[in-house]
Amino acid sequence: EADIYQTPRYLVIGTGKKITLECSQTMGHDKMYWYQQDPGMELHLIHYSYGVNSTEKGDLSSESTVSRIRTEHFPLTLESARPSHTSQYLCASSESGPRKDTQYFGPGTRLTVL
Amino acid sequence: SQQGEEDPQALSIQEGENATMNCSYKTSINNLQWYRQNSGRGLVHLILIRSNEREKHSGRLRVTLDTSKKSSSLLITASRAADTASYFCATDVGGNTGKLIFGQGTTLQVKP
Repeated sequence: EADIYQTPRYLVIGTGKKITLECSQTMGHDKMYWYQQDPGMELHLIHYSYGVNSTEKGDLSSESTVSRIRTEHFPLTLESARPSHTSQYLCASSESGPRKDTQYFGPGTRLTVL
Repeated sequence: SQQGEEDPQALSIQEGENATMNCSYKTSINNLQWYRQNSGRGLVHLILIRSNEREKHSGRLRVTLDTSKKSSSLLITASRAADTASYFCATDVGGNTGKLIFGQGTTLQVKP
């Protein structure tokens, strides 16, 4: 089992609320990622980070924002949630360096915005 | 459009049979990885094959890669009910970004 954790596992909130999805890993990995996945569909990269104070937008445009103040922590924030944000959000991490290509995933947060 | 396309989208077999899933991609890759996802959970890495490799084995898993056809296949031999899950291929296009592009996945059901 990978040492990467996400909280909450499930979240149901009303439109307009601000939310933060937490992701932490204890493996000391430099690289971290956020993916969005709708049921039965592929994963879309929405944010990634190469290390502390490094964040980049992914291939899928997202209204969420991320921060990386500590190596182990990579939270994702939605300032004003909308029903279109309903999805599963998966956090992952990987090591840096040659041939360190495997990503380790957390269990995911399933978000429902009413 | 997505880098990876998988077929079939869904596969249902009996326990003990072999399951084969295919993945095609569009651009040059550094490596191709297969992941498994149990319903509503995170992904678990299964196997990685590099662009200069043609075949790789891990337990009951066999992966092939044909870079000329830009395709890969995952074979699960002697399937078990516990193999029921969704299987995704993911391509690493290089540049040391670590970014992966995932296919749409194959949902495998193994009936006991």
